[in-house]
Amino acid sequence: EAGVAQSPRYKIIEKRQSVAFWCNPISGHATLYWYQQILGQGPKLLIQFQNNGVVDDSQLPKDRFSAERLKGVDSTLKIQPAKLEDSAVYLCASSPSAVGTQYFGPGTRLTVL
Amino acid sequence: EDQVTQSPEALRLQEGESSSLNCSYTVSGLRGLFWYRQDPGKGPEFLFTLYSAGEEKEKERLKATLTKKESFLHITAPKPEDSATYLCAPYTDKLIFGTGTRLQVFP
Repeated sequence: EAGVAQSPRYKIIEKRQSVAFWCNPISGHATLYWYQQILGQGPKLLIQFQNNGVVDDSQLPKDRFSAERLKGVDSTLKIQPAKLEDSAVYLCASSPSAVGTQYFGPGTRLTVL
Repeated sequence: EDQVTQSPEALRLQEGESSSLNCSYTVSGLRGLFWYRQDPGKGPEFLFTLYSAGEEKEKERLKATLTKKESFLHITAPKPEDSATYLCAPYTDKLIFGTGTRLQVFP
């Protein structure tokens, strides 16, 4: 069974630029999550989707971050404009249901200069 | 406020030297606790889920246990390939990750 796919794996941008990350969850998984992991810390939930609806976006900085999951499968996370403190690994995870085990992708390492 | 503390932050072990990692937590509405392993440059890999105090789960050289306030990950006779960061995450309505324990096992 294929795992969670993410792209790109690495991205370097300058502050105030915009960037987008893509995630393809495990086939059949209804729930999709985006996490931010700053170096030396554990992952922090940004947003949770159930199919194509948002369940929890309470920790998403909505002035600069946006995410969508239009057809209930793939998802995109966007940052516009980026700040230096956005440098982190952005992890996507999926689970069969809202309370199921979460399986993580390899992440996208973002460096903002 | 929900809090998760993992100790030690880093642990160096000789191959075969058993030890334990600690995860203490203060959360509201605990529904379970997850352990993940994370290798450098990779996403977290699921290890165990524990749902109630007294529960234990084992996988190869790892055993996870749960009390009302803590969880322990016991590593018996570790090998160099066990080197990784181990993350615990109590589950309420979301996973709340600790900062992890970075384990290094030397031959």
